[in-house]
Amino acid sequence: GAVVSQHPSRVICKSGTSVKIECRSLDFQATTMFWYRQFPKQSLMLMATSNEGSKATYEQGVEKDKFLINHASLTLSTLTVTSAHPEDSSLYICSAPLPSDMKETQYFGPGTRLLVL
Amino acid sequence: GQNIDQPTEMTATEGAIVQINCTYQTSGFNGLFWYQQHAGEAPTFLSYNVLDGLEEKGRFSSFLSRSKGYSYLLLKELQMKDSASYLCAVRRTNAGKSTFGDGTTLTVKP
Repeated sequence: GAVVSQHPSRVICKSGTSVKIECRSLDFQATTMFWYRQFPKQSLMLMATSNEGSKATYEQGVEKDKFLINHASLTLSTLTVTSAHPEDSSLYICSAPLPSDMKETQYFGPGTRLLVL
Repeated sequence: GQNIDQPTEMTATEGAIVQINCTYQTSGFNGLFWYQQHAGEAPTFLSYNVLDGLEEKGRFSSFLSRSKGYSYLLLKELQMKDSASYLCAVRRTNAGKSTFGDGTTLTVKP
């Protein structure tokens, strides 16, 4: 089946530093990828839609200058958390729809757990 | 705004049947998904409904009533491994943008 990977799986950083998270579709091309954030015992909150070849679209309340998204190729999207603070600590999950799937089922990456000290 | 409601927690016995309800009010509707998420893992796809009615897939079934803004996920012959969070998600646009409910944590007991 379709596989989406994320790297790193876990990262710990100091407050004020920037962290880059990669999301890759391993066996299919994804012109669109979605970035979610999930706090403990809460559901997934959509942060932004990553579009290959164009700017990402951000959900209301998400700072585009803080969460930089680059959809570098049809198989790679990156999320950079700039000047991270402890409140940014969360599980970041990406997903991509399988184009050939009529239901456009989203396939989720395993998530990247960010801890900002 | 977008509003998706699910019970926070449910408990059931191994071998039993459990129904997890989801009601939604969203701007735009292009299908309803159910996902299973084990602790510390990413969600995995369970079912998809876009037309009214019941979709059955093995031990899992999902029902949709668009007029009522209502769906349920039915799990039969519960197994211990079914203990997980179950997320109801409404796809709002053709571009695939989805809104997720807060999830229902199901605990299956022996």
